[in-house]
Amino acid sequence: GAVVSQHPSRVICKSGTSVKIECRSLDFQATTMFWYRQFPKKSLMLMATSNEGSKATYEQGVEKDKFLINHASLTLSTLTVTSAHPEDSSFYICSATRTSGEETQYFGPGTRLLVL
Amino acid sequence: DAKTTQPTSMDCAEGRAANLPCNHSTISGNEYVYWYRQIHSQGPQYIIHGLKNNETNEMASLIITEDRKSSTLILPHATLRDTAVYYCIVRVYTGNQFYFGTGTSLTVIP
Repeated sequence: GAVVSQHPSRVICKSGTSVKIECRSLDFQATTMFWYRQFPKKSLMLMATSNEGSKATYEQGVEKDKFLINHASLTLSTLTVTSAHPEDSSFYICSATRTSGEETQYFGPGTRLLVL
Repeated sequence: DAKTTQPTSMDCAEGRAANLPCNHSTISGNEYVYWYRQIHSQGPQYIIHGLKNNETNEMASLIITEDRKSSTLILPHATLRDTAVYYCIVRVYTGNQFYFGTGTSLTVIP
């Protein structure tokens, strides 16, 4: 149990376009989902915390108008990178915690974004 | 910010125990220690977590010092598939956020 999926697994887009990444909890309901980004050979950096039905809480330095997060249901959160630029190219990873109170985060496989 | 420090890299012979240390000297009394690992280009995989007591599961053992300022993850019989970056994380109590440190790159040598 506790499987998290992400779609797409990789995406290439042109500069200036927007890209949506989906994060789904497949076999459990997720009260909270988290979004991270990771640059090559670097650690994961927390971008935002998303609670179902509420506005996401963004970490300091993360532009909320650029990285739009929607957590519309207990099994789905989306991250939209708006007006993407080459510097937004990165590995984006989501995680989710169950509604049962267990606070272990279960991570998705990640989405690699390349902006040309 | 990450509240943990780990060695940058370690090697371990296949079949031997891998002991990965982590310092978390500023941990609060209600904060858990979590361990994850990340194999290249994949999402982190949960290994184990604990608060005060030592913990063991099918993957590893977690030893937490009595003062809780450090811990050690033990992989009892390392295999080549255990080669990965291992992250020790202190979970923020109020919001459950994880702030990843630099982790330890473990290489299991045949």
